[in-house]
Amino acid sequence: RKEVEQDPGPFNVPEGATVAFNCTYSNSASQSFFWYRQDCRKEPKLLMSVYSSGNEDGRFTAQLNRASQYISLLIRDSKLSDSATYLCVVNKYNTNAGKSTFGDGTTLTVKP
Amino acid sequence: DTAVSQTPKYLVTQMGNDKSIKCEQNLGHDTMYWYKQDSKKFLKIMFSYNNKELIINETVPNRFSPKSPDKAHLNLHINSLELGDSAVYFCASSPGQGKFSGANVLTFGAGSRLTVL
Repeated sequence: RKEVEQDPGPFNVPEGATVAFNCTYSNSASQSFFWYRQDCRKEPKLLMSVYSSGNEDGRFTAQLNRASQYISLLIRDSKLSDSATYLCVVNKYNTNAGKSTFGDGTTLTVKP
Repeated sequence: DTAVSQTPKYLVTQMGNDKSIKCEQNLGHDTMYWYKQDSKKFLKIMFSYNNKELIINETVPNRFSPKSPDKAHLNLHINSLELGDSAVYFCASSPGQGKFSGANVLTFGAGSRLTVL
């Protein structure tokens, strides 16, 4: 089983749609969680950190359920510019090393 | 002023050659990484250095040798290149190491696309 699993997608949605991505992780000792965004042929960039209480940044809402080892990302009112691959990232810190493990990504295409 | 810069951006070379990729960060971060993204876009950690000390080595062939002369630089040297080494190699840095999310936020360089013929 992969350490971090995401919906494979692709997701093709019209502008204005609401879309949700899910991610599960296998290591219950994981401590910090993130969503990154990667545009085609570009580097990944941090979209948002994910906190147990849930957090929102404009049209983006992230949720973490530690009991179920599940992370989600909700995008409301999708824009064409939201088209990208969304990467779920889980970090575990042990002794002196923190390791961030990336999911395989979910591709979103927003169409006019 | 680029935060994490890596060179070269593109590398095309023959099997069996040796090549290096350089990375520098001006963020004052303590930790630097090399990640490999293959043709299927899977992103995997290869190495991590904290203040010049190797802390993660993820079952990478010993043809790959990272070197960190100081905490702002992390270079990757690859010997005897193979076809399977073709990928995009991303350098990244984070503020440090720790249980709190802020320490682990990664800033990536633009990537070095290696093609082995």
